[in-house]
Amino acid sequence: SQKIEQNSEALNIQEGKTATLTCNYTNYSPAYLQWYRQDPGRGPVFLLLIRENEKEKRKERLKVTFDTTLKQSLFHITASQPADSATYLCALGYSSASKIIFGSGTRLSIRP
Amino acid sequence: EAQVTQNPRYLITVTGKKLTVTCSQNMNHEYMSWYRQDPGLGLRQIYYSMNVEVTDKGDVPEGYKVSRKEKRNFPLILESPSPNQTSLYFCASNLRRANTGELFFGEGSRLTVL
Repeated sequence: SQKIEQNSEALNIQEGKTATLTCNYTNYSPAYLQWYRQDPGRGPVFLLLIRENEKEKRKERLKVTFDTTLKQSLFHITASQPADSATYLCALGYSSASKIIFGSGTRLSIRP
Repeated sequence: EAQVTQNPRYLITVTGKKLTVTCSQNMNHEYMSWYRQDPGLGLRQIYYSMNVEVTDKGDVPEGYKVSRKEKRNFPLILESPSPNQTSLYFCASNLRRANTGELFFGEGSRLTVL
């Protein structure tokens, strides 16, 4: 079955630096990959989607890369701020299946 | 305001007492889904629905039932809850049938089964 691995340890970053989160998967390459943000006690909120034929996607301070050879996506937050502190979830979607598979998430803390 | 609404947000119940968690979306989305979130295991899909009267099992459907009689509502039913169903539950919806777009999540329902 498909496995998704995200940094299991929390990531602590100094404000202003770039935070980089990793999402690795095994087996089948997805048709698309999504990143979500989840705050404590809240539902996940969609951030970005990148398709299998795209290498990179940007949205304001966010950047996502997708390498189907390495079976990896990197999620970058540039000029990080304490308000970026949250858990970030990676999710894989397959066009042949009607579901999205989620990773367990990486907790990011930005210290002032 | 576009939203997915779940109720109740918090519930403590006892083993065997049937309960229903409601989910409603006001975005006219075709696709709806239920997930449970447990520490270290991430979000796991319980059931999903592609449209009215069309439902299918996700990865962890045992002990749960769903129905989709109207487009906006997708209730999750626990006929005989057990302690291993203690979890944080999320309902989500998506506009497109193929589910290639973003998922909109509710705020979650924290269920404790004693």
